[in-house]
Amino acid sequence: EAGVVQSPRYKIIEKKQPVAFWCNPISGHNTLYWYLQNLGQGPELLIRYENEEAVDDSQLPKDRFSAERLKGVDSTLKIQPAELGDSAVYLCASSPGQGNTEAFFGQGTRLTVV
Amino acid sequence: AQSVTQPDIHITVSEGASLELRCNYSYGATPYLFWYVQSPGQGLQLLLKYFSGDTLVQGIKGFEAEFKRSQSSFNLRKPSVHWSDAAEYFCAVGAQAAGNKLTFGGGTRVLVKP
Repeated sequence: EAGVVQSPRYKIIEKKQPVAFWCNPISGHNTLYWYLQNLGQGPELLIRYENEEAVDDSQLPKDRFSAERLKGVDSTLKIQPAELGDSAVYLCASSPGQGNTEAFFGQGTRLTVV
Repeated sequence: AQSVTQPDIHITVSEGASLELRCNYSYGATPYLFWYVQSPGQGLQLLLKYFSGDTLVQGIKGFEAEFKRSQSSFNLRKPSVHWSDAAEYFCAVGAQAAGNKLTFGGGTRVLVKP
């Protein structure tokens, strides 16, 4: 069974440019998470989806960040415009839901803003 | 709000020696607790989890953890460390009441000396 797939693995962009990350969760997983991991820190939740609905986006900086999960399967996280402080690893995770709290993580996208 | 503290930022251990990583959590209800490991450039891999029942939990790669409610702790142990155990370890608390949101500690980096 394939795990959580993220692309790209690495991205380098200039500040003020837009960037997008893509995530394909494990098949059948209704819950999808985007986490932000700064260097030397633990991941922090940005947004959680239950199917296509964003049920917790309280930590998402909505002035520049957006996310979508249109058909309740794969998801895209976008930053526009990117700032130097956005350099970090963006992790996607999925969970079966239904009370099972185990989350499976992708390998992440490492973003460098120059 | 839930929180996790990992008091040790770095731990150096000799190969073959025992390892213990500390984790303290704060959560108002019965917690779901997890330990994840992250190798450089990789996503997070689940080592073990505690939902209920036996407070001593066995995981993969020879790791175990013990849940102590009275101390709000969930320390990770391994009797004999291998060089491949060098990585960053994250403790996390999951709250079903908060939509299965995971809150991570800051991580402990383990270095293994030959």
